[in-house]
Amino acid sequence: DAMVIQNPRYQVTQFGKPVTLSCSQTLNHNVMYWYQQKSSQAPKLLFHYYDKDFNNEADTPDNFQSRRPNTSFCFLDIRSPGLGDTAMYLCATSREFGRFNQPQHFGDGTRLSIL
Amino acid sequence: SQQGEEDPQALSIQEGENATMNCSYKTSINNLQWYRQNSGRGLVHLILIRSNEREKHSGRLRVTLDTSKKSSSLLITASRAADTASYFCATGRAGTYKYIFGTGTRLKVLA
Repeated sequence: DAMVIQNPRYQVTQFGKPVTLSCSQTLNHNVMYWYQQKSSQAPKLLFHYYDKDFNNEADTPDNFQSRRPNTSFCFLDIRSPGLGDTAMYLCATSREFGRFNQPQHFGDGTRLSIL
Repeated sequence: SQQGEEDPQALSIQEGENATMNCSYKTSINNLQWYRQNSGRGLVHLILIRSNEREKHSGRLRVTLDTSKKSSSLLITASRAADTASYFCATGRAGTYKYIFGTGTRLKVLA
């Protein structure tokens, strides 16, 4: 089945140690998103790619970066994670065209814990 | 913050009852979407309603949209224990591919 897959499902890392989360999709969608979701809160958009065009949110911390080497894959790099970065990280895709937005398809997330 | 607000924050009902949750937002929108999130999982798209639509149905789900009041409601009829989850609204704006999620309603359906 076509889907959005995130790896790993769980990641524990030390304070300040770089970490990379990955997302792959078989939907061939042109837009990919990264969200941060803290406990009992709404998902918060970090950035998104429209094809290769990168769009950063104004309040996304500088140590959060992303790469999209091709349509199928997208990575979230956290260069120096702090304790406050402990959260669920969600990847989503959508096929956007025209003036109306389309539904997003989410992966099951990576639960990241910073110790 | 442009984040939408949902109420109630939490809702507990008996199986078979209807559940209604509301979403209010602040800016003009292109469309509004509702998502479900089971504990520890990603979000699942439920229904999308465009700004020129007032009501939409999908199975046991009914969504209304009032753009003059900047609000939407999600009704789940004849709820089941499997409907236990968090429900989020998300608004999309014309000319962008970004979505702003509401604060969510945690629904618990008791068997």
